Amino acid sequence: DAKTTQPPSMDCAEGRAANLPCNHSTISGNEYVYWYRQIHSQGPQYIIHGLKNNETNEMASLIITEDRKSSTLILPHATLRDTAVYYCIVGRYGGATNKLIFGTGTLLAVQP
Amino acid sequence: SAVISQKPSRDICQRGTSLTIQCQVDSQVTMMFWYRQQPGQSLTLIATANQGSEATYESGFVIDKFPISRPNLTFSTLTVSNMSPEDSSIYLCSVRQILSTDTQYFGPGTRLTVL
Repeated sequence: DAKTTQPPSMDCAEGRAANLPCNHSTISGNEYVYWYRQIHSQGPQYIIHGLKNNETNEMASLIITEDRKSSTLILPHATLRDTAVYYCIVGRYGGATNKLIFGTGTLLAVQP
Repeated sequence: SAVISQKPSRDICQRGTSLTIQCQVDSQVTMMFWYRQQPGQSLTLIATANQGSEATYESGFVIDKFPISRPNLTFSTLTVSNMSPEDSSIYLCSVRQILSTDTQYFGPGTRLTVL
């Protein structure tokens, strides 16, 4: 599976958009980009995933560059409850051998 | 989405003893996984729990230390054997249903402290 690179930490003001970058330059054609977050002392929470088109759901938007070598997770209006470690993971979709391998993630601190 | 429960939620154990962690899912799932999260670290995959057969372990993890059972499509156990303080971690159960959205979900974790 391809490796991802994320900044170790970021700050964001409450109410502003939080843009979390992720580099995955070795991603292969059948690999998806997944985003999870882990709020302190809880299990990771699924946010969104995509292949090559931009995706949006009730939690966030995912923007994937045309060459698919990087992506950005956007939280449109960050709140204090969005403070968490955000993980960008690359993996194949479907199939019995697929598994999510976590990197070090980005600690997003939302400031009041 | 799948609702996952784990027992116990936390425990404090003496070195040399063993602890079995249970994972229960509210629906049948194709894949079940066990992860470990050491203090201040990211998640590390221990193994994939296979129904009716031996688990598939990741590099660095062995069956003698982390025996896993999966008797059916909704339940799995992870045992941490002959514990040492280095085993103090959060242990997380995770599931995936590959026939639908293929989203992977995580349980709340079991916080283990070994003295």
